[in-house]
Order: sequence, then structure tokens, then C-alpha cells
Amino acid sequence: AQSVTQLGSHVSVSEGALVLLRCNYSSSVPPYLFWYVQYPNQGLQLLLKYTSAATLVKGINGFEAEFKKSETSFHLTKPSAHMSDAAEYFCDLDGTALIFGKGTTLSVSS
Amino acid sequence: GAGVSQSPSNKVTEKGKDVELRCDPISGHTALYWYRQRLGQGLEFLIYFQGNSAPDKSGLPSDRFSAERTGESVSTLTIQRTQQEDSAVYLCASSVPRERGGLYEQYFGPGTRLTVT
Repeated sequence: AQSVTQLGSHVSVSEGALVLLRCNYSSSVPPYLFWYVQYPNQGLQLLLKYTSAATLVKGINGFEAEFKKSETSFHLTKPSAHMSDAAEYFCDLDGTALIFGKGTTLSVSS
Repeated sequence: GAGVSQSPSNKVTEKGKDVELRCDPISGHTALYWYRQRLGQGLEFLIYFQGNSAPDKSGLPSDRFSAERTGESVSTLTIQRTQQEDSAVYLCASSVPRERGGLYEQYFGPGTRLTVT
């Protein structure tokens, strides 16, 4: 069965700290994986995507994610959090079905 | 170019009434998706259209929900006899389908916030 699990519904970091948002997946076919961000009162927009070309994927706003097949993970990271990063983040699996994770709300404090 | 648009942006309706939500995808995007996002929850897949193929309706929660799409353009999501639990943001997205190449990611509209009183 296909699934996406985002560990931690809420992550809080201080400005300048490392951001780590976790996503684990289960898929019977080679997956395409995406991270989307939803800023308050806005629609979702793509942060980055993995489509098998490279395991380390760089996205917008300084975010990146690494596809690790052995760990079935696609965690999202950013070296230094900014206040403007506060948003909800969704991991998406496109395998034989479209499955979004439940989302992780990132809070950034000064 | 223009992105995905949805209308109305907000809809308040009384329990038991029918509502229609509209989505205009990006021109050339043959794939169109509807999702529901309840307050504080993740995205719930509802339905997927791909060109002239039969839609994937596996996510529709009940027979009160239906959706149509005219060719590769506008789609409408209809909820009949609305219930309070239907209150949510309904998101539409479009994309170039995988088998056509392209970037695979979905482009989302701003959503329609539905409140059933």
C-alpha cells in the first residue's frame, strides 16, 4: 500500500536554526516525491521535487531534500530558518496514487 | 501566464443546499485534481481527471459529491445536500500528466473556502 508519513505535525525552531521536516514513504513503484508549502491564507506552491534524476534536490528559498531509498525517506532541510519560512509543509507521493502527507506546521521564533 | 483559478473564493451555504465550485486550470494542463482540506488537517484527494479518460473518483467521500470536466478545461465540483462536515477549503490543481513528460508537479489554485451553517 502506498503511504506518506510526516513525522511531527508541528515543528518549532528559532530564527537561524536548522530546519528539518521529516517525510517517510511507502510505494510499490519508484516514487516521485514533492514538497509543497502553504503560506497563511495562500494556496500551495511547489518547493522542490524528486523525479529520480538526482537524490539531492534543491528547491526555492534555500530548501533542499535528499531522497534515501534505503530509509524510504525524503526529509526537507534548510540550514538557517527565517521568519518568513513559517508555513505549513506537505510531502506528496506520486506513485500509483496521489497521496499527500498530513502536513507539518513550521513555526519560527525570533 | 495565468495560474489555476477557482471561484468563488468563499462560499457560505445553509445545510441541505447544493453548491457548485469552479476550477479553471492552466491552459494545456490535461490533468486536473480536486482536494479537500479540513481545518488543521492535510490534503484529502477527491477526484482526478486526465484528458478524455474516465476520471479517478476513488477519493469522493459520498455520492453527494460529483465533479465534471469539459474537455481539458473548466471543472466543477458539486456537493449536494451539504452537511456541516463538508465545511473545508476545496483546492483544485492542474498539471502536465506524467506520460506526456513535463515536470509532474501540480499547480494549485487559491482554493474555495466552504462554510456550511
